[in-house]
Amino acid sequence: QVQLQESGPGLVKPSQTLSLTCTVSGGSMSSGSDYWNWIRQPAGKGLEWIGRIYASGTIDYNPSLKSRVTMSVDTSKNQFSLKVNSVTAADTAIYYCARGTPLTTGGAFDPWGQGTLVTVSS
Amino acid sequence: DIVMTQSPDSLAVSLGERATINCRSSQSVLYSPNNKNYLAWYQQKPGQPPRLLIYWASTRESGVPDRFSGSGSGTDFTLTISSLQAEDVAVYYCQQYYSTPHTFGQGTKLEIK
Repeated sequence: QVQLQESGPGLVKPSQTLSLTCTVSGGSMSSGSDYWNWIRQPAGKGLEWIGRIYASGTIDYNPSLKSRVTMSVDTSKNQFSLKVNSVTAADTAIYYCARGTPLTTGGAFDPWGQGTLVTVSS
Repeated sequence: DIVMTQSPDSLAVSLGERATINCRSSQSVLYSPNNKNYLAWYQQKPGQPPRLLIYWASTRESGVPDRFSGSGSGTDFTLTISSLQAEDVAVYYCQQYYSTPHTFGQGTKLEIK
């Protein structure tokens, strides 16, 4: 079955750019109408949807982060990526990637990656 | 944005008893053309990612025990665990995926009494 795995630096300095990649295995990103999401969760807090990207490259961002976020997809590598620029301590969180499945669930998120902790600190 | 509000924030229930978590959306997540509610429930245990339990408000994901059920329509939804097991201790989130930005409730922490 499809599995997702986040990767990237665990420590980013303030004002710099956070860069993460999600690698999809067990299936092709290009098949079907699925979309690919980034979600984050500060320690001990709730979930915040950052945005989604389709294999076609169509993107929807959360307006709360839109000015600082860039997503991209590389279907040849079965990967999609997230960049958040001008980071501050408020961007410290566990970052998850997850698949949205419109055809089967209407777009609920399943599965999720295990998550990667990104700390913003000098 | 659609605001999702869960109640209560925390809940303690005895083993074998029923647990009920509520979720309210600030606007309807019912899509009239297909009569489906774009509402999901997730379970998150410590150190783990969220796990999809329920989608379309009441459809149980494959592999989810049948003691978990979802109900509701429009703006008011409920997740019910009919007979609480020790392994159900977790934080539960509702989420609307009717429109972007997709938004989550603040979470309900479920513990054993």
